[in-house]
Amino acid sequence: QVTLKESGPVLVKPTETLTLTCTVSGFSLSTPRVGVAWIRQPPGKALEWLAHIFSNDEESYSTSLKSRLTISKDTSKSQVVLTMTNMHPVDTATYYCARVLQDDGFFDFWGQGNLVTVSS
Amino acid sequence: DIQMTQSPSSLSASVGDRVTITCRASLRISVYLNWYQQKPGKAPKLLIYTASKLQSGVPPRFSGSGSGTDFTLTISSLQPEDFATYYCQQSFSTLWTFGQGTKVEVK
Repeated sequence: QVTLKESGPVLVKPTETLTLTCTVSGFSLSTPRVGVAWIRQPPGKALEWLAHIFSNDEESYSTSLKSRLTISKDTSKSQVVLTMTNMHPVDTATYYCARVLQDDGFFDFWGQGNLVTVSS
Repeated sequence: DIQMTQSPSSLSASVGDRVTITCRASLRISVYLNWYQQKPGKAPKLLIYTASKLQSGVPPRFSGSGSGTDFTLTISSLQPEDFATYYCQQSFSTLWTFGQGTKVEVK
């Protein structure tokens, strides 16, 4: 049974760095052609893909946020970590991690989400 | 980046209605188009992938079609549990992008 679970702060201050962890089970981060993506959703707004990393360590980042994002994985811990620097109030959103198949690019399993509020 | 435009942004429908949602890509994306359903407070759920393939466990009243730049999601007979927001997502480019969503509301 595939599951993903996000963990991280619920509140961060402007200019701080956000670190979110996605812990997966039911599959391995070393499984060929499989990866994990981060997607966010501001309250009442649409989904926005942020970044992803595949089992072969291939990474990709949103064009608009590339300078602020870093994604990494620890296969032994079954964890994928996303950091976002210089947080702003407009970054307030629910942050989801999701499994993605490299050949197809769709998100077949999702975590429950982690609501992050950016406020002083 | 490839822009995805959904229409309408919202619609009102009744149980039993046939509902169609459209998604248009700013570039040709072959059949690399996926559809998700999201209910309030929940994570999105994959319904359709590569334009027309039904994800396991999704009822057959959901169907998808299209290729190139124009795609549709159809619900053949709307059920009470289908009132939700629907998103399209392109996977042609690895800079993945979503549409802005279509909210299906009770008429």
